[in-house]
Amino acid sequence: KAGVTQTPRYLIKTRGQQVTLSCSPISGHRSVSWYQQTPGQGLQFLFEYFSETQRNKGNFPGRFSGRQFSNSRSEMNVSTLELGDSALYLCASSPYRTGTSGGEQFFGPGTRLTVL
Amino acid sequence: AQKVTQAQTEISVVEKEDVTLDCVYETRDTTYYLFWYKQPPSGELVFLIRRNSFDEQNEISGRYSWNFQKSTSSFNFTITASQVVDSAVYFCALSVRNQGGKLIFGQGTELSVKP
Repeated sequence: KAGVTQTPRYLIKTRGQQVTLSCSPISGHRSVSWYQQTPGQGLQFLFEYFSETQRNKGNFPGRFSGRQFSNSRSEMNVSTLELGDSALYLCASSPYRTGTSGGEQFFGPGTRLTVL
Repeated sequence: AQKVTQAQTEISVVEKEDVTLDCVYETRDTTYYLFWYKQPPSGELVFLIRRNSFDEQNEISGRYSWNFQKSTSSFNFTITASQVVDSAVYFCALSVRNQGGKLIFGQGTELSVKP
């Protein structure tokens, strides 16, 4: 079974631009979560989608948004990029809502975003 | 609020040594789940283990073992006879039942195993 895939793997943008990252979960998985990883803040939860609905959101500004499609694929968007948005963005999938069942999340390789 | 603390930022051992990575968690919820993930230099987080709050049995998987103690809110991870391939950053994480898929991660412990 193919794992979680994320595209693109690397991205360079300039301040003020916007970016869209894509995540394809493991086949059959309905839950997709996004995390931001930086050296200073570590791994931080962005949001979770299940059955095309955002179920939970982390403490990030409104510039960070996401969505999930009927095939469970998900995208996240960051508008008006700031230097501090440079990070590794990780996507994870689970066959069910993790919080209600404690199911493990399987992570993709991440997208490395650099904002200049 | 929930919190995970991994007090050891970096650990360096020589191959074949045993090493224990510490994890202390905080939550007031009675139903929660604990995880360990490994992040090799490639960046992808690799799932190692999940434990729910009602199962305090220790677990062994090959050279890996986990010790879950609710009395001390700890979920420690031991690698026996470490190998160079174990070099990675290890993360302990917590999720609680009423917060969906949110994983709360510790800051990670960077393990370096030297030959």
